[in-house]
Amino acid sequence: KAGVTQTPRYLIKTRGQQVTLSCSPISGHRSVSWYQQTPGQGLQFLFEYFSETQRNKGNFPGRFSGRQFSNSRSEMNVSTLELGDSALYLCASSISSGGRDTQYFGPGTRLTVL
Amino acid sequence: AQTVTQSQPEMSVQEAETVTLSCTYDTSENNYYLFWYKQPPSRQMILVIRQEAYKQQNATENRFSVNFQKAAKSFSLKISDSQLGDTAMYFCAFMKSPASGSRLTFGEGTQLTVNP
Repeated sequence: KAGVTQTPRYLIKTRGQQVTLSCSPISGHRSVSWYQQTPGQGLQFLFEYFSETQRNKGNFPGRFSGRQFSNSRSEMNVSTLELGDSALYLCASSISSGGRDTQYFGPGTRLTVL
Repeated sequence: AQTVTQSQPEMSVQEAETVTLSCTYDTSENNYYLFWYKQPPSRQMILVIRQEAYKQQNATENRFSVNFQKAAKSFSLKISDSQLGDTAMYFCAFMKSPASGSRLTFGEGTQLTVNP
């Protein structure tokens, strides 16, 4: 089985722009979670989608949004980019929501905001 | 809110030796899951081991084992026969009961270096 894939792997944007990141989960996985990783804040949970519904949301401003499609692929969008949004964005998928099933992480998208 | 604390920012060990990474957490939940993930220089997050809080037996995966002390809210990772490929950042993580979804709360991480 193919692992979790994330596109693009690297992205450079300027302040004020918006960006869309994509995550394709492992086949059969219905839960997709997103995390932001920065040197200063560490790993922080953004949101989780399960069966096209947002199940959980972390403490991020409304500029961060996401969605999930019927094939379980997920996208996250960041509008009006700020310098502090520069980070590694990781997505993880699991068969179901909750800790019963292992979460598998993708390789991440490195976003740089100039 | 749950918090996870890893008090050792960096550790080093000689190849073939044993090393223990510490993790403590704070929660009022009774049912939860604990995890250790490793993140090598490639940045790919890899699950090392998991523990269900309702299980008293400590989890073991080959050279990796945990010491889960529920009352003390402690969850340490022991790596036996350390290998060069174990060099990575190790994160301890907490997840509430299944009804709360798949939200992981991570510690700050411990950078482990295995020396030849």
